[in-house]
Amino acid sequence: SYVLTQPPSVAVAPGKTARITCGGNNIGHNSVHWYQQRPGQAPLLVIYYNTDRPSGIPERFSGSNSGTTATLTISRVVAGDEADYYCQVWDATNDSWVFGGGTQLTVL
Amino acid sequence: EVQLVESGGALEQPGGSLRLSCAASGFAFSSFAMTWVRQAPGKGLEWVSIISGSGDRTYYADSVKGRFTISRDDSKNTLYLQMNSLRAEDTATYYCAKGGLLIDDAFDIWGQGTMVTVSS
Repeated sequence: SYVLTQPPSVAVAPGKTARITCGGNNIGHNSVHWYQQRPGQAPLLVIYYNTDRPSGIPERFSGSNSGTTATLTISRVVAGDEADYYCQVWDATNDSWVFGGGTQLTVL
Repeated sequence: EVQLVESGGALEQPGGSLRLSCAASGFAFSSFAMTWVRQAPGKGLEWVSIISGSGDRTYYADSVKGRFTISRDDSKNTLYLQMNSLRAEDTATYYCAKGGLLIDDAFDIWGQGTMVTVSS
């Protein structure tokens, strides 16, 4: 089955840029979605189809996808961005959804 | 307001059964794929199952295939997950989520989850 690999944790100072990666075999050929999950809350879609932002998601959130790595970029990080972030793809070979293991973003 | 409300979570013994429900409101329920995602305590997200908007296609994670059944009642705007032969490793918060018109669309609306505990 398809595997998505994320770093367990990323730490960034307020005002700086956080980059969270999601690795997978030829992931650039897939559409990647990203979710934010704050402690005790349900997940929230922040990026869909690699680069699109749902209504209400700040422009500070952006995505890219090429080759073997998809990246979620959060610019001008604020304390409220502290959360777990998950990437997701549809594995058409096995007709199943796959989530990455999640990355805990810490704002220093 | 678009909303999903799960119910049916409980403490159940290994080998037992539970049925989860997800009541939807605020959108054209019958048009969209619907899905279940679970999260074991302190762990990451695990996709469980998805059903197409028409209800004619269903897909399952290998970990639940043959034990869980997803269904929908469009007349009641409700999604279900029938869970049989429960195991300790099924212990998790179960979220329902709204998909898109296509099976590979993102999950744009999530419920708050319902807790399932499998233990003797």
